[in-house]
Amino acid sequence: GAVVSQHPSWVICKSGTSVKIECRSLDFQATTMFWYRQFPKQSLMLMATSNEGSKATYEQGVEKDKFLINHASLTLSTLTVTSAHPEDSSFYICSAREFGTGGEAFFGQGTRLTVV
Amino acid sequence: AQKVTQAQTEISVVEKEDVTLDCVYETRDTTYYLFWYKQPPSGELVFLIRRNSFDEQNEISGRYSWNFQKSTSSFNFTITASQVVDSAVYFCALDNFNKFYFGSGTKLNVKP
Repeated sequence: GAVVSQHPSWVICKSGTSVKIECRSLDFQATTMFWYRQFPKQSLMLMATSNEGSKATYEQGVEKDKFLINHASLTLSTLTVTSAHPEDSSFYICSAREFGTGGEAFFGQGTRLTVV
Repeated sequence: AQKVTQAQTEISVVEKEDVTLDCVYETRDTTYYLFWYKQPPSGELVFLIRRNSFDEQNEISGRYSWNFQKSTSSFNFTITASQVVDSAVYFCALDNFNKFYFGSGTKLNVKP
């Protein structure tokens, strides 16, 4: 199947700093990418949907100024956690869909963020 | 509205026992995909199976089998002769080509 690469796989940052997480589709063009957040022992929660070249659509309750999403190319989307706080510590997973709606979606390996 | 329910929060079995993980879904869409993923402690989602809404054939892959029944909106997953390495959290999910909807997950503990 297609490969989605997420980087870094883990990151520790100081409170107040910003952290960028990258999500790349390695062998296909992803017009749509999704960002999920997973708290310990919970399910994946969709944060936002991004389409290449346009603004991301955020789910209710997700702060768009806190979680900046950029989908500048058909193979790359980034999530920046701005002014991170310990409560932002979580597991973040991206997925990328081929051919916009209708295509199969593939998941990255996830990024474990710890804010100290 | 779309919804995926995994009523079993946690299941514990002894190695070599068979175990079935339940998944019930709700959707008004006629075309959709159903998935099962395994999430080991490392966190990465491991793809197990994808089934489209028009294909109700059951599938067997080694010790894994899946029972898709549209009449009851269920997509259950059975592990035969469970092994310790099967211990993980398992997620059922529905993709209506717009979004993925995940169940809450079932944690499977296989004890030696």
